Amino acid sequence: KAGVTQTPRYLIKTRGQQVTLSCSPISGHRSVSWYQQTPGQGLQFLFEYFSETQRNKGNFPGRFSGRQFSNSRSEMNVSTLELGDSALYLCASTPDRGSVDEQYFGPGTRLTVT
Amino acid sequence: AQSVTQLGSHVSVSEGALVLLRCNYSSSVPPYLFWYVQYPNQGLQLLLKYTSAATLVKGINGFEAEFKKSETSFHLTKPSAHMSDAAEYFCAVTTTDSWGKLQFGAGTQVVVTP
Repeated sequence: KAGVTQTPRYLIKTRGQQVTLSCSPISGHRSVSWYQQTPGQGLQFLFEYFSETQRNKGNFPGRFSGRQFSNSRSEMNVSTLELGDSALYLCASTPDRGSVDEQYFGPGTRLTVT
Repeated sequence: AQSVTQLGSHVSVSEGALVLLRCNYSSSVPPYLFWYVQYPNQGLQLLLKYTSAATLVKGINGFEAEFKKSETSFHLTKPSAHMSDAAEYFCAVTTTDSWGKLQFGAGTQVVVTP
């Protein structure tokens, strides 16, 4: 079974631009979570989607948004990029069979904002 | 709310020596605990998980962890370190009322010396 895939793997953007990152979960997984990883703040939860609905949200400004499609694929968008948005963005999927399952992580998208 | 504290941001061990990584959690409801490993430029890989079954949990690559409720701890151990164990290790917690959201510790970088 293929793992979680994220595209693109690397991205360079300029301050003020916007960016969209994509995540394809493991086949059959219905929940997708997003995390931001930086050297200073570590791993921080952004949001989680299940059946196209945002079920949980972290403490990030409204510039960060996401969505999930009917095939469980998810995208996250960051508008008006700031230098501090430079990070590794990780996506994770889980079967969500009604109990707590482990999350399976993708390789991440490395975003650099200049 | 829940949180995780990992003691020691860097740990150096000799090849063949015991690996001990400390994790303490805080949670007002029964926690589910995980250890993940991250190799450079990669996503997170699950080592093991505690989901309220056996308190001693065995994972991949010879790692194990023991859930101790009285000490609110979930320390990770491996009897004999291998060079391939050099990586960053993260302890994480979630609960049934935080679907899809993992709260991570700051991570522990493990260096293995010959």
